[in-house]
Formats: sequence, C-alpha cells, structure tokens
Amino acid sequence: DTGVSQDPRHKITKRGQNVTFRCDPISEHNRLYWYRQTLGQGPEFLTYFQNEAQLEKSRLLSDRFSAERPKGSFSTLEIQRTEQGDSAMYLCASSLGVGGTEAFFGQGTRLTVV
Amino acid sequence: SQKIEQNSEALNIQEGKTATLTCNYTNYSPAYLQWYRQDPGRGPVFLLLIRENEKEKRKERLKVTFDTTLKQSLFHITASQPADSATYLCALKDSNYQLIWGAGTKLIIKP
Repeated sequence: DTGVSQDPRHKITKRGQNVTFRCDPISEHNRLYWYRQTLGQGPEFLTYFQNEAQLEKSRLLSDRFSAERPKGSFSTLEIQRTEQGDSAMYLCASSLGVGGTEAFFGQGTRLTVV
Repeated sequence: SQKIEQNSEALNIQEGKTATLTCNYTNYSPAYLQWYRQDPGRGPVFLLLIRENEKEKRKERLKVTFDTTLKQSLFHITASQPADSATYLCALKDSNYQLIWGAGTKLIIKP
C-alpha cells in the first residue's frame, strides 16, 4: 500500500503524559498537513509543511503541540502534557504541487486522554 | 472569517434516487472547492474539485455545481446505492495553504 500511513492507529494516554504520532506521506508528495477532527465535525487545520519547512501553523494551536518533518519525508506530531480536550482523531494528509490538488489522507490516529 | 455550512441533519434517500447535498460559505468566493467522502473511523477520500470559474463538474455518477452568486456548491449522486452511504464533507481554500472544512452531511441510502 503506497498511501499515507499513520502510526499508531489508536493511543490511550493518561492526562499529563506526552504523546508522539508519526505520518509517512506518499513518497513524491512535497506537501504535508496535520488536522484534528472530533466527532461530528470536519477536520480542523493544525499545521502545514512544504518539504521540511513548516510554513503555516494554526493560531489556535497550543504551545503544547509541535510538529517536525525532518528531511522532508515523514512527519511527527507531539503533544506535551496532554489534556482531556486533546482527545480526537489526528489526521495527516499529503499532496503534490501547487494549490488545487487533492489531499490524500491517512487512516488517522485516535487519541483518548483519560 | 470564512465559514462553511453543511446540513447537520442526516439525509435519507431511497436507493436509485438522486441525493443532493449542500455546502454554503459565508464570505469571499474561494479559488476552488473540494468534496470528500468519509467513512466511520477513516480519513476523508477526495471526490471532486471545482474551481471558481467552473459552473459544473462531473465524475461518473457524481456532479458538483458552484454558484459564486449564491455562495453555494451542490453535490449530487445520481442512481444512489447503499454503498454511497457515508459522510460527505466540503472544503474550500482559505489561506495560501489551508483548507477549511464543513462539518459534513451524513447520507443514508436505504435499499
């Protein structure tokens, strides 16, 4: 399968712990996005990378969230000191080239903070 | 700021009929608008993109229209099938890189 891969699929963590998620985009895609989605809502933009450069970050994103994309390949999203409100599906998507192209999404990582 | 409105109530359609879903936006007309399908527990899957200078786009049983005067896009599935049951999301280009998304409409096709 050469689609977008996310790991883990599910994560249960205690409040206050740190968690890290990984996304492997489609190999030739230079654009990578992280979204968060809660039940009954559409995806909410978190951050965007073009190659290894993080070009945009949501103003709503807490300082507890950080993302990296070393070498412009896979990406990681870390949440420090998790809170119950962080419980959501975290989606990664990748796309190729200029705007207007479709985004390919991974299966997502379901985070539950207890 | 730009907002997207999709009907939050589930849409129930009899198999074989045409399903029509609505996406309304509030402010400026985006350069393009996209429609995605999402099944429970999975990421969205791209279906169609329509640009601001296009009135209509078709793909097999799918048709999307874009009316910048009404600030509205309609998404049609003709000859609907139970396998078309899913949540359908519209998304439009906001900033240079962001898509903003509607909450989606759940479509249920009854046999």
